[in-house]
Amino acid sequence: DQQVKQNSPSLSVQEGRISILNCDYTNSMFDYFLWYKKYPAEGPTFLISISSIKDKNEDGRFTVFLNKSAKHLSLHIVPSQPGDSAVYFCAASVSKAQKLVFGQGTRLTINP
Amino acid sequence: AAGVIQSPRHLIKEKRETATLKCYPIPRHDTVYWYQQGPGQDPQFLISFYEKMQSDKGSIPDRFSAQQFSDYHSELNMSSLELGDSALYFCASRGTSGGRREYTQYFGPGTRLTVL
Repeated sequence: DQQVKQNSPSLSVQEGRISILNCDYTNSMFDYFLWYKKYPAEGPTFLISISSIKDKNEDGRFTVFLNKSAKHLSLHIVPSQPGDSAVYFCAASVSKAQKLVFGQGTRLTINP
Repeated sequence: AAGVIQSPRHLIKEKRETATLKCYPIPRHDTVYWYQQGPGQDPQFLISFYEKMQSDKGSIPDRFSAQQFSDYHSELNMSSLELGDSALYFCASRGTSGGRREYTQYFGPGTRLTVL
Protein backbone atom coordinates (compact mmCIF):
# COMPACT_ATOMS: atom_id res chain seq x y z
CA ASP A 1 0.00 0.00 0.00
CA GLN A 2 1.75 3.13 -1.28
CA GLN A 3 0.95 5.82 1.29
CA VAL A 4 2.92 8.50 -0.57
CA LYS A 5 2.47 8.68 -4.31
CA GLN A 6 4.27 10.57 -7.02
CA ASN A 7 2.25 9.79 -10.09
CA SER A 8 4.61 11.32 -12.61
CA PRO A 9 7.72 9.13 -13.10
CA SER A 10 9.35 11.84 -15.19
CA LEU A 11 9.06 15.52 -16.04
CA SER A 12 10.88 17.57 -18.65
CA VAL A 13 11.09 21.37 -18.33
CA GLN A 14 12.89 24.05 -20.26
CA GLU A 15 15.64 25.96 -18.50
CA GLY A 16 14.37 29.15 -16.89
CA ARG A 17 10.76 27.95 -16.66
CA ILE A 18 8.91 26.69 -13.60
CA SER A 19 9.13 23.03 -12.57
CA ILE A 20 6.18 21.69 -10.60
CA LEU A 21 6.48 18.29 -8.94
CA ASN A 22 3.43 16.76 -7.32
CA CYS A 23 2.89 14.35 -4.47
CA ASP A 24 -0.25 12.82 -2.93
CA TYR A 25 -0.60 10.98 0.35
CA THR A 26 -3.28 8.80 1.88
CA ASN A 27 -2.37 8.70 5.58
CA SER A 28 -4.11 11.61 7.34
CA MET A 29 -1.74 11.14 10.31
CA PHE A 30 1.19 12.51 8.32
CA ASP A 31 2.04 15.98 9.58
CA TYR A 32 5.55 16.61 8.33
CA PHE A 33 6.59 16.57 4.69
CA LEU A 34 9.94 16.85 2.97
CA TRP A 35 11.40 16.96 -0.51
CA TYR A 36 14.72 15.33 -1.31
CA LYS A 37 16.79 15.47 -4.46
CA LYS A 38 18.87 12.49 -5.52
CA TYR A 39 21.67 12.18 -8.05
CA PRO A 40 22.85 8.74 -9.22
CA ALA A 41 25.28 7.03 -6.81
CA GLU A 42 24.56 9.61 -4.08
CA GLY A 43 22.26 9.71 -1.10
CA PRO A 44 19.11 11.85 -1.03
CA THR A 45 19.86 15.53 -0.38
CA PHE A 46 17.38 17.50 1.71
CA LEU A 47 15.73 20.39 -0.13
CA ILE A 48 12.82 21.77 1.83
CA SER A 49 10.22 20.71 4.38
CA ILE A 50 6.81 21.82 5.57
CA SER A 51 4.81 21.16 8.70
CA SER A 52 1.08 20.53 8.49
CA ILE A 53 0.37 23.75 10.36
CA LYS A 54 1.55 25.68 7.30
CA ASP A 55 0.38 25.70 3.71
CA LYS A 56 3.50 27.18 2.14
CA ASN A 57 7.22 27.26 2.79
CA GLU A 58 9.76 29.03 0.63
CA ASP A 59 13.55 28.76 0.39
CA GLY A 60 15.19 30.57 -2.48
CA ARG A 61 14.09 29.05 -5.76
CA PHE A 62 12.16 26.28 -3.99
CA THR A 63 8.61 26.57 -2.67
CA VAL A 64 6.54 23.76 -1.21
CA PHE A 65 2.74 24.03 -1.05
CA LEU A 66 0.60 21.81 1.16
CA ASN A 67 -3.12 21.25 0.66
CA LYS A 68 -4.21 19.18 3.65
CA SER A 69 -7.82 18.78 2.59
CA ALA A 70 -6.70 17.31 -0.73
CA LYS A 71 -3.78 15.44 0.86
CA HIS A 72 -1.55 16.94 -1.79
CA LEU A 73 1.74 18.76 -1.83
CA SER A 74 3.80 20.23 -4.61
CA LEU A 75 7.32 21.52 -5.09
CA HIS A 76 7.86 24.55 -7.32
CA ILE A 77 11.30 25.34 -8.67
CA VAL A 78 11.65 28.78 -10.23
CA PRO A 79 13.62 29.36 -12.36
CA SER A 80 14.68 25.84 -13.30
CA GLN A 81 18.38 25.31 -13.91
CA PRO A 82 20.28 22.46 -15.59
CA GLY A 83 21.75 21.45 -12.21
CA ASP A 84 18.23 20.73 -11.00
CA SER A 85 18.10 17.63 -13.20
CA ALA A 86 17.79 14.75 -10.72
CA VAL A 87 15.26 12.41 -9.14
CA TYR A 88 13.02 14.16 -6.61
CA PHE A 89 11.47 12.23 -3.74
CA CYS A 90 8.57 13.38 -1.65
CA ALA A 91 8.60 12.00 1.92
CA ALA A 92 6.23 12.19 4.86
CA SER A 93 6.23 11.27 8.52
CA VAL A 94 3.85 11.04 11.46
CA SER A 95 5.45 13.68 13.66
CA LYS A 96 8.83 15.18 12.90
CA ALA A 97 10.82 12.56 14.78
CA GLN A 98 9.50 9.49 13.04
CA LYS A 99 10.56 7.38 10.09
CA LEU A 100 10.08 8.74 6.59
CA VAL A 101 7.71 7.21 4.06
CA PHE A 102 8.85 7.97 0.53
CA GLY A 103 7.10 8.34 -2.79
CA GLN A 104 8.40 6.58 -5.87
CA GLY A 105 10.29 9.61 -7.13
CA THR A 106 10.02 11.86 -10.20
CA ARG A 107 12.92 12.21 -12.60
CA LEU A 108 13.22 15.89 -13.53
CA THR A 109 15.13 16.84 -16.65
CA ILE A 110 15.90 20.48 -17.36
CA ASN A 111 16.51 21.13 -21.03
CA PRO A 112 18.75 24.01 -22.15
CA ALA B 1 30.11 20.78 6.75
CA ALA B 2 30.51 17.20 7.90
CA GLY B 3 28.10 14.72 6.38
CA VAL B 4 26.95 11.21 7.12
CA ILE B 5 29.62 8.65 6.29
CA GLN B 6 28.82 5.13 5.21
CA SER B 7 31.22 2.29 4.63
CA PRO B 8 31.83 0.41 2.56
CA ARG B 9 30.39 2.16 -0.47
CA HIS B 10 30.19 -1.07 -2.43
CA LEU B 11 29.99 -4.64 -1.21
CA ILE B 12 29.72 -7.88 -3.13
CA LYS B 13 28.75 -11.04 -1.27
CA GLU B 14 27.69 -14.57 -2.09
CA LYS B 15 24.37 -16.06 -1.04
CA ARG B 16 24.27 -17.20 2.58
CA GLU B 17 27.24 -14.98 3.52
CA THR B 18 27.11 -12.20 6.09
CA ALA B 19 27.65 -8.47 5.67
CA THR B 20 28.19 -5.55 8.01
CA LEU B 21 27.37 -2.01 6.94
CA LYS B 22 28.60 0.95 8.98
CA CYS B 23 27.19 4.43 9.43
CA TYR B 24 28.87 7.42 11.05
CA PRO B 25 26.35 10.19 11.72
CA ILE B 26 26.93 13.90 11.54
CA PRO B 27 28.67 15.13 14.75
CA ARG B 28 26.17 15.84 17.56
CA HIS B 29 23.49 13.77 15.84
CA ASP B 30 22.09 11.16 18.21
CA THR B 31 19.48 9.51 15.99
CA VAL B 32 20.22 7.12 13.15
CA TYR B 33 17.83 5.65 10.58
CA TRP B 34 18.47 2.82 8.11
CA TYR B 35 16.64 2.59 4.77
CA GLN B 36 16.78 0.03 1.96
CA GLN B 37 16.21 1.02 -1.67
CA GLY B 38 15.70 -1.84 -4.09
CA PRO B 39 16.19 -1.40 -7.86
CA GLY B 40 13.61 1.04 -9.21
CA GLN B 41 11.95 1.38 -5.81
CA ASP B 42 11.59 4.09 -3.20
CA PRO B 43 13.61 3.89 0.03
CA GLN B 44 11.96 1.71 2.69
CA PHE B 45 12.54 2.23 6.40
CA LEU B 46 14.31 -0.61 8.22
CA ILE B 47 15.16 0.48 11.76
CA SER B 48 16.14 3.51 13.83
CA PHE B 49 18.06 4.29 17.00
CA TYR B 50 17.95 7.20 19.42
CA GLU B 51 20.62 7.56 22.09
CA LYS B 52 21.81 3.99 21.47
CA MET B 53 18.36 2.47 21.96
CA GLN B 54 16.17 1.09 19.18
CA SER B 55 13.41 3.63 18.64
CA ASP B 56 11.41 2.16 15.74
CA LYS B 57 11.39 -0.89 13.55
CA GLY B 58 10.08 -1.27 10.02
CA SER B 59 10.17 -4.05 7.46
CA ILE B 60 13.50 -5.46 8.58
CA PRO B 61 14.01 -9.22 8.13
CA ASP B 62 14.86 -11.28 11.20
CA ARG B 63 18.17 -12.10 9.47
CA PHE B 64 19.17 -8.47 9.94
CA SER B 65 20.19 -6.84 13.19
CA ALA B 66 21.53 -3.42 14.03
CA GLN B 67 22.85 -1.42 16.91
CA GLN B 68 24.08 2.03 17.79
CA PHE B 69 27.31 2.37 19.73
CA SER B 70 28.47 4.79 22.43
CA ASP B 71 30.05 7.06 19.79
CA TYR B 72 26.66 7.09 17.99
CA HIS B 73 27.87 5.21 14.94
CA SER B 74 25.61 2.39 13.85
CA GLU B 75 26.13 -0.99 12.20
CA LEU B 76 23.65 -3.04 10.20
CA ASN B 77 24.47 -6.75 10.32
CA MET B 78 22.97 -8.95 7.64
CA SER B 79 23.22 -12.74 7.75
CA SER B 80 22.20 -15.58 5.42
CA LEU B 81 22.18 -13.13 2.53
CA GLU B 82 19.68 -13.70 -0.24
CA LEU B 83 19.62 -12.45 -3.82
CA GLY B 84 16.73 -10.17 -2.90
CA ASP B 85 18.90 -8.33 -0.37
CA SER B 86 20.76 -6.67 -3.25
CA ALA B 87 19.95 -3.00 -2.82
CA LEU B 88 21.21 0.41 -1.81
CA TYR B 89 21.31 0.81 1.95
CA PHE B 90 21.08 4.37 3.21
CA CYS B 91 21.77 5.67 6.65
CA ALA B 92 20.36 8.99 7.80
CA SER B 93 21.05 10.96 10.94
CA ARG B 94 19.26 13.66 12.89
CA GLY B 95 20.13 15.68 15.97
CA THR B 96 21.17 19.05 17.22
CA SER B 97 22.65 21.83 15.16
CA GLY B 98 23.64 25.25 16.43
CA GLY B 99 22.16 24.40 19.81
CA ARG B 100 18.75 23.71 18.30
CA ARG B 101 16.99 20.35 17.89
CA GLU B 102 16.59 19.59 14.19
CA TYR B 103 14.09 17.23 12.61
CA THR B 104 15.47 16.89 9.12
CA GLN B 105 17.06 13.55 8.33
CA TYR B 106 20.36 13.89 6.49
CA PHE B 107 21.36 10.97 4.34
CA GLY B 108 24.68 9.34 3.66
CA PRO B 109 25.84 8.30 0.18
CA GLY B 110 24.66 4.73 0.69
CA THR B 111 26.20 1.28 0.49
CA ARG B 112 25.45 -0.71 -2.64
CA LEU B 113 25.17 -4.37 -1.69
CA THR B 114 25.23 -6.96 -4.45
CA VAL B 115 24.46 -10.57 -3.54
CA LEU B 116 25.54 -13.12 -6.13
